Order: sequence, then structure tokens, then C-alpha cells
Amino acid sequence: EVQLVESGGGLVQPGGSLRLSCAASGFTFSSNWMSWVRQAPGKGLEWVAKIKEDGSEKYYGDSVKGRFTISRDNAKNSLYLQMNSLRAEDTAVYYCAREVAVASDYWGQGTLVTVSS
Amino acid sequence: QSALTQPPSASGSPGQSVTISCTGTSSDVGGYNYVSWYQQHPGKAPKLMIYEVSKRPSGVPDRFSGSKSGNTASLSVSGLQAEDEADYYCSSYAGSTVVFGGGTKLTVL
Repeated sequence: EVQLVESGGGLVQPGGSLRLSCAASGFTFSSNWMSWVRQAPGKGLEWVAKIKEDGSEKYYGDSVKGRFTISRDNAKNSLYLQMNSLRAEDTAVYYCAREVAVASDYWGQGTLVTVSS
Repeated sequence: QSALTQPPSASGSPGQSVTISCTGTSSDVGGYNYVSWYQQHPGKAPKLMIYEVSKRPSGVPDRFSGSKSGNTASLSVSGLQAEDEADYYCSSYAGSTVVFGGGTKLTVL
């Protein structure tokens, strides 16, 4: 059974940093692109970033480019999102997702990031 | 990376059919056959319902179907059931990035 479990969310002050993790199991992690998608409270889904199977290609949404970094450790079956220079508008539930045919076929339960002083 | 345009709401009675539109541009919806649709119930993670415009993942009822014409994609739900009441989001490949629609709240009357 495919499982994705996010962790690392919490309360952080504006300008601060946070690193999210996503532990994957139930599939060959190194064979799939992986993504992060976020959802602000009461709002819609927003694509954040994606990373190729071997980590050689990474793409970001305009709102996080230059501040967030996606990475992966295939030996640990883990996906990461390093978030720097956090702003109030980054407050959201962050989901990790497995990619197949440019679609997210499995999602984690999400981890809440709150940026507030 | 402008969001795709979806109607904020849609509704139908049990047993009826409803169609939700998703309008983009030639740089996303119109340029690739990589449109996906997601269903999200309150407090839950999204669930993939349609990928590559019209393909259904295993386990998704055939009441759900997808199509595309030009820069507009559509999700159709036939034989509406109470459990179909949820938020629906479209997304599209946009040339290395991905863009989502603003979401449509489907109400089963």
C-alpha cells in the first residue's frame, strides 16, 4: 500500500525557516517524480514544486521560487522541502504527492505550516 | 503561472448529471493532454479522479469522465450521488510547471 507521511510543520515567525519531510513507502520511491502542493486555510490548491526521480531536475511555482528548495534522498525514501524567508502568505497545509503521468495519484495527509509572529 | 478558471459552484439533484469547466490557455490546457481532476472532501487530502484529460484511475467510478476542447477541459459526473458532494480542482501541465484551477464546490441538492 502506497503511503506518504509528511512531518515538520509548525509555527514559525515571518522571515524564519522550516524543513518539511515526507516519508514514502509501498512503492519504488526512486521511480517517480514527486511534488509538494499546498492549500491555504479555506483556499484552493497551489502547486509548489516537483523533482525528478533522480533529483536532477527541479521546478518551482513563481510564489516560492528562490525561497524554497525541494530535494529527495532515494536511499531513505524521503522527500524534503526547505522553506526559507517565510511569509504570512505561506501559511498552509503542505501535501507531498507521488507523480504519475503528470498527475498526483497518491497524497499524504498534509502538515500545517503557520507563519505568524 | 496564472490559475486555471473554474466556476466557484455547481449543483445537481441525485441521479442528474453535472459538468464542471476548466479554462486555461494554449500554454497549459490547450497545449498538452495532461489535464487532471481532483476531488476533495472537507478536511481530507485530494483524490485523483481523472488524468491525461480522460483516463480514470483504478477504483474511480465510470460516472466520472473528462474531456477537452481547445483551451477548456471539462469534468462530467453522471448519476449524481450524495457522496459526490465535494470540491473539485482541475490542474494542467504548463511546460515543466503545473497550474491548478481555483476549485468548484459541487453541491448535491
